[in-house]
Amino acid sequence: DSGVTQTPKHLITATGQRVTLRCSPRSGDLSVYWYQQSLDQGLQFLIQYYNGEERAKGNILERFSAQQFPDLHSELNLSSLELGDSALYFCASSASGQINNEQFFGPGTRLTVL
Amino acid sequence: EDQVTQSPEALRLQEGESSSLNCSYTVSGLRGLFWYRQDPGKGPEFLFTLYSAGEEKEKERLKATLTKKESFLHITAPKPEDSATYLCAVEAVHGNKLVFGAGTILRVKS
Repeated sequence: DSGVTQTPKHLITATGQRVTLRCSPRSGDLSVYWYQQSLDQGLQFLIQYYNGEERAKGNILERFSAQQFPDLHSELNLSSLELGDSALYFCASSASGQINNEQFFGPGTRLTVL
Repeated sequence: EDQVTQSPEALRLQEGESSSLNCSYTVSGLRGLFWYRQDPGKGPEFLFTLYSAGEEKEKERLKATLTKKESFLHITAPKPEDSATYLCAVEAVHGNKLVFGAGTILRVKS
């Protein structure tokens, strides 16, 4: 158990809908990272927040947004969902804002868009 | 563009049969190379970070090495519990993100 929690574990929704994925980092970690993992694209970095502020941006679509709250939990919002958004979404956390700090991954949320 | 290529895509070993996984990378200035292990349906688990050519790190039956163009993950006398997907990732000096390879699926049979 990495100490990172993600909810829900599974999510099934329809195209065009909007969903919110939630992540709680390990106690004491200030950075939260979001990743998307699909069979054809592998593990792709989406976005990083450090202590409430956006720190780095990767291949995140404009239909997706994230935020980190004062209690350091983070939410990833996915809107206007398409079939291709079906994937595993992972959250990771680390102690500092440095990317090369060891990242601890949560168990993931499996999103299925029908 | 930063790229990471892992080979082979899949590897089947008998218990005790040592082997190596390869991670080739193209990056304009390497800040760090990372190895992760991922079990089916779970999040990746951190194994090693390597920063400069010639560096080596070990953990139980695993040993990671780094050159200027590639990294190897050597598995000595593997056991069935070593079966997993092994992911390699790089962070470039200019970048601020991890770029992952597609992974090598390792199966160790007893």
